[in-house]
Amino acid sequence: RKEVEQDPGPFNVPEGATVAFNCTYSNSASQSFFWYRQDCRKEPKLLMSVYSSGNEDGRFTAQLNRASQYISLLIRDSKLSDSATYLCVVKSNDMRFGAGTRLTVKP
Amino acid sequence: ETGVTQSPTHLIKTRGQQVTLRCSSQSGHNTVSWYQQALGQGPQFIFQYYREEENGRGNFPPRFSGLQFPNYSSELNVNALELDDSALYLCASSPGLDVLVDTQYFGPGTRLTVL
Repeated sequence: RKEVEQDPGPFNVPEGATVAFNCTYSNSASQSFFWYRQDCRKEPKLLMSVYSSGNEDGRFTAQLNRASQYISLLIRDSKLSDSATYLCVVKSNDMRFGAGTRLTVKP
Repeated sequence: ETGVTQSPTHLIKTRGQQVTLRCSSQSGHNTVSWYQQALGQGPQFIFQYYREEENGRGNFPPRFSGLQFPNYSSELNVNALELDDSALYLCASSPGLDVLVDTQYFGPGTRLTVL
């Protein structure tokens, strides 16, 4: 079993749609959680950290359920510029990445 | 821009050769981590250096080695290249070792092709 597993995707949605990504992790000792965004042939960039209480940054909402070892990312009112691969990241002593979920937002 | 640079951008090697990839971290960032990202996969942790000492290692063989220098630059060395070593190699720097606080800033990566 992989340490970090994500929805396989790809997700193809129209502009304005709401889309949700899920992620599970196996290491219960993990301490920090993040969502990164990676554009094609570019480096990953931090989208947002994920806190137990849930957190929101504009159209993006992240949730963490430690008991279920589950992380989610919700994107509301999708824009064309949201098209990218979204990487779930779990950190204990080092960062463990999921394989990523590809999102394409279409006009 | 993250302030993290990597060189070269692209590299082609043949099986059995050795390669050195370079990374220049943000000034003041004492931690550098290296990752391998195969096509269609997420980055896989290779190792991490803190103040020039290896501070953690992922599931990679000893032919993957590294160095970190006092001027915030670092190297990833790979000996006896194999076809499966073809990937994007990313370095990421962060100020310290605080797991809960420190954000990692990625460089643009070096794309290595092994023929």
